Amino acid sequence: EAQVTQNPRYLITVTGKKLTVTCSQNMNHEYMSWYRQDPGLGLRQIYYSMNVEVTDKGDVPEGYKVSRKEKRNFPLILESPSPNQTSLYFCASSLKLLAGEQFFGPGTRLTVL
Amino acid sequence: AQSVTQLGSHVSVSEGALVLLRCNYSSSVPPYLFWYVQYPNQGLQLLLKYTSAATLVKGINGFEAEFKKSETSFHLTKPSAHMSDAAEYFCAVSDRVEDKIIFGKGTRLHILP
Repeated sequence: EAQVTQNPRYLITVTGKKLTVTCSQNMNHEYMSWYRQDPGLGLRQIYYSMNVEVTDKGDVPEGYKVSRKEKRNFPLILESPSPNQTSLYFCASSLKLLAGEQFFGPGTRLTVL
Repeated sequence: AQSVTQLGSHVSVSEGALVLLRCNYSSSVPPYLFWYVQYPNQGLQLLLKYTSAATLVKGINGFEAEFKKSETSFHLTKPSAHMSDAAEYFCAVSDRVEDKIIFGKGTRLHILP
């Protein structure tokens, strides 16, 4: 089954404790992206990757890191989480950047205390 | 830069009534346009997309949208609402200049019995 998986689905952590949210897709898509969803703000792009070893900042990259060592994986790293990073996070992948359907993961709800 | 505006953060319609969710975009270059739906506790999934073919686009679950260049609009409609349509709907537009997808802030659709 074609899918994007994220782990964990739910995470509660404390300020400053490094964490990683994993994202994996099995569709051989080149383009992957991370978004955060906040009430009233919609989806905002954090980082995206056009291909292996190619990543770029989205609209809200501060406080986040990503890596793309393999085509299928695109982890999101919070080196020192803060309460303002409490949010719902989505990973997405697509075959084409602009014209293609984006396939979204189920989301990770992160709470930073 | 591209922008997308969804009128109404919440829309309520009675079961069986017409659904109309509004989306306007700003673009000087013909865009690609998308509608996504998010059911509770799930990721987004594609409803339909416009990529410069027919201006009336049919999607899943009986939804359709019409691209109107003169009005810079891409409104989503469904002739008869069903309880299962209750969800949040996002309009998205591709920005061919900055190579990115921009999402609207979303419209939550409520279906009244």
